[in-house]
Amino acid sequence: DIQMTQSPSFLSASIGDRVTITCQASQDISNFLNWYQQKPGKAPKLLLYDASNLDTGVPSRFSGSGSGTDFSLTISSLQPEDFATYFCQQYENLITFGPGTKVDVK
Amino acid sequence: QVQLKESGPGLVKTSETLSLTCSVSGDSVSSGSYYWSWIRQPPGKGMEWIGYLYYSGSTKFNPSLKGRATISPDTSKNQFSLTLRSVTAADTAVYFCARVGTSGYYIDFWGQGTLVTVSS
Repeated sequence: DIQMTQSPSFLSASIGDRVTITCQASQDISNFLNWYQQKPGKAPKLLLYDASNLDTGVPSRFSGSGSGTDFSLTISSLQPEDFATYFCQQYENLITFGPGTKVDVK
Repeated sequence: QVQLKESGPGLVKTSETLSLTCSVSGDSVSSGSYYWSWIRQPPGKGMEWIGYLYYSGSTKFNPSLKGRATISPDTSKNQFSLTLRSVTAADTAVYFCARVGTSGYYIDFWGQGTLVTVSS
């Protein structure tokens, strides 16, 4: 099965910061990767699909890149509503999730 | 707007069977455009995909569950259910039902989640 890792696990940042989170797959998954945002006690929200495509209604400050085994999610200018946990999901073989990156206030 | 809502017992005894139901509105579990899935999140941990159901009745599961899970539809009520047998404390988690795209396996709608605790 395909294992997903993320780094960092925790990230402290300030409003306006550029934030980048990375996700690595244990084998080549092409671009079969999605990104989600989850706030405490809430269901996750889809941000990007197929590594780089923004879901409907997601602000353009979110972007994604990568293919193969290495991927990244970037928030170009962190906003107050962006403090949350972000995780990736591969679907090249079944479905597995990354462990998550918590973005909190510096 | 698609909405999903989980229901079921919040406490299950060790070695017994966990049963949850997901009620769907705004779409049909008989639709061929999506998979209907269960996902769980143990306290303080990441998400774990359990399995999904397709409108044809076919299902697919996470091998780590070793055949303990079943997902079945109730098309008359527009619901689908999860059954997980022989539970242990490791099955304690928030359980989410969700809609999964068939073309990109993106999870575009989730239920609010329901905490199930397994205890003797």
